[in-house]
Amino acid sequence: QVQLQASGPGLVKSSETLSLTCTVSGYSITSGFYWGWVRQPPGKGLEWIGNIYHGGSTYYNPPLKSRVTVSMDTSKNQFSLKLTSVTAADTAVYYCARAGYTGYDPFHYWGHGTLVTVSS
Amino acid sequence: DIQMTQSPATLSASVGDRVTITCRASQTISRWLAWYQQKPGKAPKLLIYDASSLESGVPSRFSGSGSGIEFTLTISSLQPDDFATYYCQQYNSYSPLTFGGGTKVDIK
Repeated sequence: QVQLQASGPGLVKSSETLSLTCTVSGYSITSGFYWGWVRQPPGKGLEWIGNIYHGGSTYYNPPLKSRVTVSMDTSKNQFSLKLTSVTAADTAVYYCARAGYTGYDPFHYWGHGTLVTVSS
Repeated sequence: DIQMTQSPATLSASVGDRVTITCRASQTISRWLAWYQQKPGKAPKLLIYDASSLESGVPSRFSGSGSGIEFTLTISSLQPDDFATYYCQQYNSYSPLTFGGGTKVDIK
């Protein structure tokens, strides 16, 4: 059974870069499927951030595209999120998840999520 | 981007009730729609994909229908474990993935 666990600093200063890592167990991230990030501000709905495939293909949400990078470290079976120039609006629970075989698929498996607070 | 509008925003129901939640897309998405259940402090859980396919392990009281722009999630007989917030998500090719605003199902 695939399991995902997001980790990273829980507090980031405004204008700095948010960096999170998702560690995958029970499945090799090079064996197929897209992997992605979704966030949820406190008390609000879900927002897709971006997806990545081990072949290098990435898809980003246009409003965030200029600030987002999703990458993979296949040697560690991890994928990562970097979000630059953060503001209070980026405060959210960040989830990593496994999608399907394309960049446009639902998310079948989710990690528990990690809260990131942007402070001024 | 494709906007997803869910209704109602909140739904009060009793155990045993039949519950229906609607999701409308701003443009046609064929059957590229998923439904998720989220409980407080937990990650979303996929219930339905491709509008009507039941995810493995999900109880059969959950069903989905629709195509094009209008979709529904139905819980045939609401159980205590079903009180949660439900989200729809569209995944039409070459469009950014987007979620509906959510429907909270609470106890009447």
